[in-house]
Amino acid sequence: AQKVTQAQTEISVVEKEDVTLDCVYETRDTTYYLFWYKQPPSGELVFLIRRNSFDEQNEISGRYSWNFQKSTSSFNFTITASQVVDSAVYFCALSEVILTGGGNKLTFGTGTQLKVEL
Amino acid sequence: DSGVTQTPKHLITATGQRVTLRCSPRSGDLSVYWYQQSLDQGLQFLIQYYNGEERAKGNILERFSAQQFPDLHSELNLSSLELGDSALYFCASSVVSGQGKNEQFFGPGTRLTVL
Repeated sequence: AQKVTQAQTEISVVEKEDVTLDCVYETRDTTYYLFWYKQPPSGELVFLIRRNSFDEQNEISGRYSWNFQKSTSSFNFTITASQVVDSAVYFCALSEVILTGGGNKLTFGTGTQLKVEL
Repeated sequence: DSGVTQTPKHLITATGQRVTLRCSPRSGDLSVYWYQQSLDQGLQFLIQYYNGEERAKGNILERFSAQQFPDLHSELNLSSLELGDSALYFCASSVVSGQGKNEQFFGPGTRLTVL
């Protein structure tokens, strides 16, 4: 069975600090997809990024960057120069294809609560 | 705004009652997913429909059922409600089914409180 582990339950930083959120996954699939979602205090889930298993190039989008390492089954997320608006719960997720029915689903980690203070 | 709509936003009801949650996917998306978010279980996949057909099932209770209508909107029916069913219920949509690469876009959720 697939599994996603986010060992950091809560992280507190001061504005402008860099912060890294860890994600470790388990899967038997050779091709798979990983995702990060953000859940701000308002409650909605916002898609941030998708990464496939055969592309280990790191990705940067503004202050956000992602480090995918297949050898350690990790997909870590770094926010550079954090801001108060980054305060949210961040979820890492792994996509699973359900062969029997032709469906698919996301398996989520337990999330990391990030608090950015002034 | 993801383009996925869910109604109602909040729902307060009593134990033993039945409720219906509604979801409209993004324009062009044929797949609808339902997830439950609770403090003790986290974010859990319940069920997926694609173009009206059930495609995947998670840890969905027998008291819960869902369907997707010809106009692609979906409803999640929860019956014989218990206190433990209190949670945030999300609907998500994606273009296709059976492909792990497609990101799912989530609606704002329906917060269900069972008293």
